[in-house]
Formats: sequence, C-alpha cells, structure tokens
Amino acid sequence: GEDVEQSLFLSVREGDSSVINCTYTDSSSTYLYWYKQEPGAGLQLLTYIFSNMDMKQDQRLTVLLNKKDKHLSLRIADTQTGDSAIYFCAERGGGSQGNLIFGKGTKLSVKP
Amino acid sequence: EPEVTQTPSHQVTQMGQEVILRCVPISNHLYFYWYRQILGQKVEFLVSFYNNEISEKSEIFDDQFSVERPDGSNFTLKIRSTKLEDSAMYFCASRRGPQETQYFGPGTRLLVL
Repeated sequence: GEDVEQSLFLSVREGDSSVINCTYTDSSSTYLYWYKQEPGAGLQLLTYIFSNMDMKQDQRLTVLLNKKDKHLSLRIADTQTGDSAIYFCAERGGGSQGNLIFGKGTKLSVKP
Repeated sequence: EPEVTQTPSHQVTQMGQEVILRCVPISNHLYFYWYRQILGQKVEFLVSFYNNEISEKSEIFDDQFSVERPDGSNFTLKIRSTKLEDSAMYFCASRRGPQETQYFGPGTRLLVL
C-alpha cells in the first residue's frame, strides 16, 4: 500500500542548513507536501511540489524531488531556533478525493 | 487570511460517552476531511466529505464514527461511544477544488479516560 517514510530526528546548529528527507511509494502521486507542526499546534502547510517538477524554491525553503527514486527533500537555509518543529512529508493518496498520506514526521532541533 | 477553525481545542471524556468535534472550514471550500494523530504516531486519514456525502473513508472510520455538515458552515465528527484508543489529536482540513491544497485546522485534542 501507499507509505511515506522519514527519519525521526535531525539536530542542527543555528545558521546551518537543514535537510529533511522523505521517501514515498506511490509513483502516481501528483502532489507532495511539507507541513510543519510546532508543539501543541496544528499542521501548517509550508510548501508543496507538483510531480512534474524537480525543484521548487521559496525563500529559505528548497524542495527537491527525485521521482525516479521516489525521494523528496526539504532544505531549510540559515536554520533558526524558530524552525524547531516536526516536519511532515505527505503525498496525495491515490483515492479520487485526494486524502493525504503522511510520514511519521521529522523532529528538527535547532541549537543556538 | 481565511483559516480552518476547530472547537473545542481540548476535550476530556469518559469511555463510552459520545463526543462531537466541530470544524468550520474555509468558506469557499468544497472538500472536507478529518484526520487523527495518536500521540507520537503518523497523521492518519479518517474520512473525506464532498457534496453532502462521504466520498472516501479509511478502515479506522468504523460505525462508531459519523460526519455531518448540519449547515453551510460547520463540519462535525461524532464518535458515538468513545474508547480509550480514540484518544488523539483530531484535525479537520478543507480545500477548494480537486487540485487545490488542503488547509488544516489547529486540531482538537481528545482524551478518553
């Protein structure tokens, strides 16, 4: 079945770049998403990429998509302490109603 | 900027009780969803709703669950007889059209004792 995998933890120093990786199984996914969840809060859409793209940049965020390897990454440049959160990768499921399939989330810790 | 809102933010209930979680999707959105996140686990799809009916549901969404859009603005999730394992964060989401992005509410944290 459809599945999304992410590493669970990443720790970086303030000012460094963070790279969060994700793999997915559904090759027919049309959209792939990154959501951010701060402690006790909801899911905030960070960015998304359409499957016919291989890169998307949005300010400090860069999304890379390797469709052949079904690998998605999120790079955060100049990581700040406010970036500390859990980052969820999600793919749009194969159902007609577009429900999302989430990974377990990567907890990013930014040390000053 | 329009947001999805959810009430209550927290709810504590006794096992066997009924709970209703409420959501107000973004006003011009047509597709509505419920997801849940058990502590420390993945966010899981429960159900999608379009054109006043359930369009898709997961295995989790059994007969104890129901959804309703009682008026033009609210979208509710009812759990008829709560179990301990229903304790989770419940997220509502909505989107405008089939190719649009889903926007999530802040969640309702449900604790079943």
